[in-house]
Amino acid sequence: ILNVEQSPQSLHVQEGDSTNFTCSFPSSNFYALHWYRWETAKSPEALFVMTLNGDEKKKGRISATLNTKEGYSYLYIKGSQPEDSATYLCAFFTFGGSQGNLIFGKGTKLSVKP
Amino acid sequence: DTAVSQTPKYLVTQMGNDKSIKCEQNLGHDTMYWYKQDSKKFLKIMFSYNNKELIINETVPNRFSPKSPDKAHLNLHINSLELGDSAVYFCASTPNRDRGHGYTFGSGTRLTVV
Repeated sequence: ILNVEQSPQSLHVQEGDSTNFTCSFPSSNFYALHWYRWETAKSPEALFVMTLNGDEKKKGRISATLNTKEGYSYLYIKGSQPEDSATYLCAFFTFGGSQGNLIFGKGTKLSVKP
Repeated sequence: DTAVSQTPKYLVTQMGNDKSIKCEQNLGHDTMYWYKQDSKKFLKIMFSYNNKELIINETVPNRFSPKSPDKAHLNLHINSLELGDSAVYFCASTPNRDRGHGYTFGSGTRLTVV
């Protein structure tokens, strides 16, 4: 059974704080790691897709790093804003018995207070 | 113009009924998915269709049957609904099965079985 673990489960920060979350995934049979942003009452929206060990991706104030050898990825948000409040999901893409599938973590719920 | 649209958005029905949820994407993607958000908020894969061919079916009861009349549509039919089927169901699509593409999700269908 493939498990994707995210921590912390929830996070409350003040506007302007920088923060980061962790995603842990199996280090074998790695193909890609996805990050999604999921606002309440909306659908998950893709942030990053990372495929190579050492990958770093950036979109505005949000960035992510990837370590496939040890099986973790970090998502960083610099200078958090209230509009960053959402659940951040990571998902491990693997080929195998499932023939190409995203296995999602439970997410980290971020709340940014003004 | 919604990229991945699901209908209905809400569905309340009695146990034992048969119901369908429809999904359409106008992105020209080859691969479509159905995910179920369970009571613990996990997104779990149910089905995947690649260019109209079923490629995965993750231990889903055979009361659930996906139907894909063409590559832009992936409908989910559920027979003999049970209380435990109550959940939010998400449709998603991606250009193909390659690892490097983020998924585009629909807004979800909240199914309540009473």
